Amino acid sequence: QSALTQPASVSGSPGQSITVSCTGTNSDVGAYNFVSWYQQHPGNAPKLIIFDVTNRPSGVSHRFSGSKSGNTASLTISGLQAEDEAVYFCCSHVGSSTYVFGTGTKVTVL
Amino acid sequence: QVQLQESGPGLVRPSQTLSLTCTVSGDSIGSGSYYWSWLRQPAGKGPEWIGRIHTSGNTYFNPSLKGRATISKDTSKNLFSLSLDSVTVADTAVYYCARDSETGEVWYWGQGTLITVSS
Repeated sequence: QSALTQPASVSGSPGQSITVSCTGTNSDVGAYNFVSWYQQHPGNAPKLIIFDVTNRPSGVSHRFSGSKSGNTASLTISGLQAEDEAVYFCCSHVGSSTYVFGTGTKVTVL
Repeated sequence: QVQLQESGPGLVRPSQTLSLTCTVSGDSIGSGSYYWSWLRQPAGKGPEWIGRIHTSGNTYFNPSLKGRATISKDTSKNLFSLSLDSVTVADTAVYYCARDSETGEVWYWGQGTLITVSS
């Protein structure tokens, strides 16, 4: 299992929209609609913000949305806010009840 | 509310076995159809899934660990455990226990415990 590829950093100004990509293969992201996204602030455990590619857990802001095309999944944050500054990780099911995470993207609010 | 709490030694010598325990409250590890997982995160890197145990007792592991990991559960005490054999400095990380679903999304995480492998 190789880690999914994410850009190291993405930045945007307050109110803007940004997109974080997550590239895998046709054995993970491309094979299953089971991609999740996590937000991690320093010193804290990751928090689930998107599951099954597009679904948001209860209590997660509607400004977070997910999508997928082929072997690449994406997380979009609209109306960027200062509190969104964090590291974001994607994760994909890879079959046989196993899964793999992405390399992580640091989102900076300018 | 499901809560998980890791406990472990903090420091492990190279070639020794790392043993961690996760105590669960707010849910029973012996019922339902959930998975109880161990993950780790080296400093500055993304999480790595280690393995998990289903309420049925079936276990699944990351192939990259080459058979070094074992996960067990004690339903009477509502806890599950990780053993990782033959540790090296590369096993230094924050270790998390968690509850996740069939398709891998992790809904509940412990606070994490830093394990350092050093002589």
